[in-house]
Amino acid sequence: QQQVKQSPQSLIVQKGGISIINCAYENTAFDYFPWYQQFPGKGPALLIAIRPDVSEKKEGRFTISFNKSAKQFSLHIMDSQPGDSATYFCAASKGGSYIPTFGRGTSLIVHP
Amino acid sequence: GAGVSQSPSNKVTEKGKDVELRCDPISGHTALYWYRQSLGQGLEFLIYFQGNSAPDKSGLPSDRFSAERTGGSVSTLTIQRTQQEDSAVYLCASSRGLGNTEAFFGQGTRLTVV
Repeated sequence: QQQVKQSPQSLIVQKGGISIINCAYENTAFDYFPWYQQFPGKGPALLIAIRPDVSEKKEGRFTISFNKSAKQFSLHIMDSQPGDSATYFCAASKGGSYIPTFGRGTSLIVHP
Repeated sequence: GAGVSQSPSNKVTEKGKDVELRCDPISGHTALYWYRQSLGQGLEFLIYFQGNSAPDKSGLPSDRFSAERTGGSVSTLTIQRTQQEDSAVYLCASSRGLGNTEAFFGQGTRLTVV
């Protein structure tokens, strides 16, 4: 059973465009929703995270939008740059159990 | 060290052999995780250690997989009688544990079973 569903599997965007990656979860006990960025040959690194008490969090060009009632959250990358080309994973974890459950990842390519 | 360190970075082994993968977490991190990353399959949880508590082994795919964590620090993931389907990147992560859920990942060990 896939607890965190991520889409799309791959995404191609032109430089300067907006990249949007979506995730949906099933377990209402989840209370921490991070996004990780992974470059080839490297381990994932935390990019931005949100807790369900807010609907949006912005850090620079990266924004998480969170819809608690729909059990969905998304990552928006504004003014996408070729250096943003990477694999992005959404994840979710629940209080008392700090084991993140990851989505299957989105391969983002930003063309110059 | 400054980050999570894994060794070896690459391992090629023959089917049926045993392998050991090592993880050095960030100093002071009480939580340690092992994940497996297969092409197109995302990150598959394997096992979780938190302090001195019994590990959560719920993600181990078979009894050929085991892991230990000595002295609350270094961890070793052992795969016995390796199979070709074990080929993947094995990632280790650590975190401060309770109250802080940011996981810091190592760069992984790429295991190839031939």
